[in-house]
Amino acid sequence: KNEVEQSPQNLTAQEGEFITINCSYSVGISALHWLQQHPGGGIVSLFMLSSGKKKHGRLIATINIQEKHSSLHITASHPRDSAVYICAVLNDYKLSFGAGTTVTVRA
Amino acid sequence: KAGVTQTPRYLIKTRGQQVTLSCSPISGHRSVSWYQQTPGQGLQFLFEYFSETQRNKGNFPGRFSGRQFSNSRSEMNVSTLELGDSALYLCASSPGTEGYGYTFGSGTRLTVV
Repeated sequence: KNEVEQSPQNLTAQEGEFITINCSYSVGISALHWLQQHPGGGIVSLFMLSSGKKKHGRLIATINIQEKHSSLHITASHPRDSAVYICAVLNDYKLSFGAGTTVTVRA
Repeated sequence: KAGVTQTPRYLIKTRGQQVTLSCSPISGHRSVSWYQQTPGQGLQFLFEYFSETQRNKGNFPGRFSGRQFSNSRSEMNVSTLELGDSALYLCASSPGTEGYGYTFGSGTRLTVV
């Protein structure tokens, strides 16, 4: 069983819809990262969380350390949000990754 | 501020050969980590270096090795290449202390034929 589980695997939304991606992990961590990968491979770090909630523009990330669960929300989704979103947990300088969620936002 | 630079961007090698990939971190960053990404296995951690010391490594065979130089630049080497080593290899840099995020390079696309 993977240390990091993401759901859903794929998600299609209409422009303007609210999107939620979930991440559960089974190990102790020092931080959780949300990453975005566009076609072509480039990875951008969106958030690093060790507790609570962070917001950047239309993106919100939350983490519940006790429940070992994090969510990434995209409000008022836009076609440019179409990408793969990856959850990664950090433990002892090692990142472990979820399988990613492919998000497609239709105009 | 220059980003993380990986060279080369693309590489084609033959089975049995060896390859060396390079990663130059953001100026001032002392940690460099390496990852392999394949369609079947997703992203997997290879190793992490901080101030020329390997602090952790993933579950890869000994054919995969790395090192970090005093200027924080890092190289990874894969010897006796196999078809299954075809992948996107990514490196990321960070300051190296807790509380800081990662900046990823654009990757090296390795094809083994």
